[in-house]
Amino acid sequence: EAAVTQSPRNKVAVTGGKVTLSCNQTNNHNNMYWYRQDTGHGLRLIHYSYGAGSTEKGDIPDGYKASRPSQENFSLILELATPSQTSVYFCASGEWSQNTLYFGAGTRLSVL
Amino acid sequence: GEQVEQRPPHLSVREGDSAIIICTYTDSATAYFSWYKQEAGAGLQLLMSVLSNVDRKEEQGLTVLLNKKEKRLSLNLTAAHPGDSAVYFCAVGANAYKVIFGKGTHLHVLP
Repeated sequence: EAAVTQSPRNKVAVTGGKVTLSCNQTNNHNNMYWYRQDTGHGLRLIHYSYGAGSTEKGDIPDGYKASRPSQENFSLILELATPSQTSVYFCASGEWSQNTLYFGAGTRLSVL
Repeated sequence: GEQVEQRPPHLSVREGDSAIIICTYTDSATAYFSWYKQEAGAGLQLLMSVLSNVDRKEEQGLTVLLNKKEKRLSLNLTAAHPGDSAVYFCAVGANAYKVIFGKGTHLHVLP
């Protein structure tokens, strides 16, 4: 069964601190994505990747970096966290040929 | 770029009634259409997806209609039950790399 695992599930960070959110997929999908979900905005794409070594900017990349060191792993990095980055973050993997995205359970991040 | 509007934002129906959620989009090149369900505290799960050459698809009490002329995608839950209570999202895009999600519909099915 397709699986996307995010860690941590919950995180409290301080303003100005560095935060790394991790995502691992066992689907062998080429494409991976990071979204954030906020009330009134739905899901918005932050970064995505076509495969190991590639990262692309999504619709709201400012304040975020991404890293795809391998097919299985895709990280989202907040170098200097701000309270406006308090949100629920979702990782997903997918293949165009399958016409679907598989989502992780989400990471709830609070920046104080 | 692509714009997606989803309505209604909140929907309450009685058990056994139909629930209809609609998304409209702007880009005529859109070829990827999906509906996702999000239960409390969980990620999104695919309900159904269609490609642009499909007008209607039915599966397990769900009907997806695609009207490309009017750029409208709809999800109809026939005979809704309390287990269907969740947030529903449409997702559209010209390809799987840049999918745009609607803002979601909170569906509440009353017993």
